[in-house]
Amino acid sequence: QVTLKESGPVLVKPTETLTLTCTVSGFSLSNARMGVSWIRQPPGKALEWLAHIFSNDEKSYSTSLKSRLTISKDTSKSQVVLTMTNMDPVDTATYYCARIIEDWLGLDYWGQGTLVTVSS
Amino acid sequence: SYVLTQPPSVSVAPGQTARITCGGNNIGSKSVHWYQQKPGQAPVLVVYDDSDRPSGIPERFSGSNSGNTATLTISRVEAGDEADYYCQVWDSSSDPWVFGGGTKLTVL
Repeated sequence: QVTLKESGPVLVKPTETLTLTCTVSGFSLSNARMGVSWIRQPPGKALEWLAHIFSNDEKSYSTSLKSRLTISKDTSKSQVVLTMTNMDPVDTATYYCARIIEDWLGLDYWGQGTLVTVSS
Repeated sequence: SYVLTQPPSVSVAPGQTARITCGGNNIGSKSVHWYQQKPGQAPVLVVYDDSDRPSGIPERFSGSNSGNTATLTISRVEAGDEADYYCQVWDSSSDPWVFGGGTKLTVL
């Protein structure tokens, strides 16, 4: 069965760099037409897309956060890593990774999410 | 960038039909996907490609898309359907993954 699981720090200080890892199982990151996206959700607010990486290694970033984000994947480890630099309290949110089905560009499986709090 | 507009809230009595709209410029030309998010849980895909259902999603959930409005319809609403619902499309402009602001479905 397909699962995705996010891992990383629950608390980061302002100006620090956040590194989140999405470990997938039940499918391979080398599968054609499947990618991974990162989405976040501040408490009580809507979903916000951050970045994606497709099966062909094509990457894309939110225009408002592009300068702070990097996404990469390690197919052998079944992991997708997102880094976000210069964290700020407004970045406090639950961060989700989700599987992309590239045929219809939607997200069919989501991780449970990880709450990251930015505070000194 | 492309914008999707959803009503903040929809209320419906049990057993009735709930309709949640998602407005966007010529959204009928795009594929719309719908996600259900219950409190404290991750989103779950309930409709994809306008009107298809993933396996395990009840037939009570259906979707349509035409013109400037896509609609998620939930028939015979149950208390367990109470959740936030988000629409999403892919747009080839600046930010490709576009989510609506979400609609809170309340079952009276």
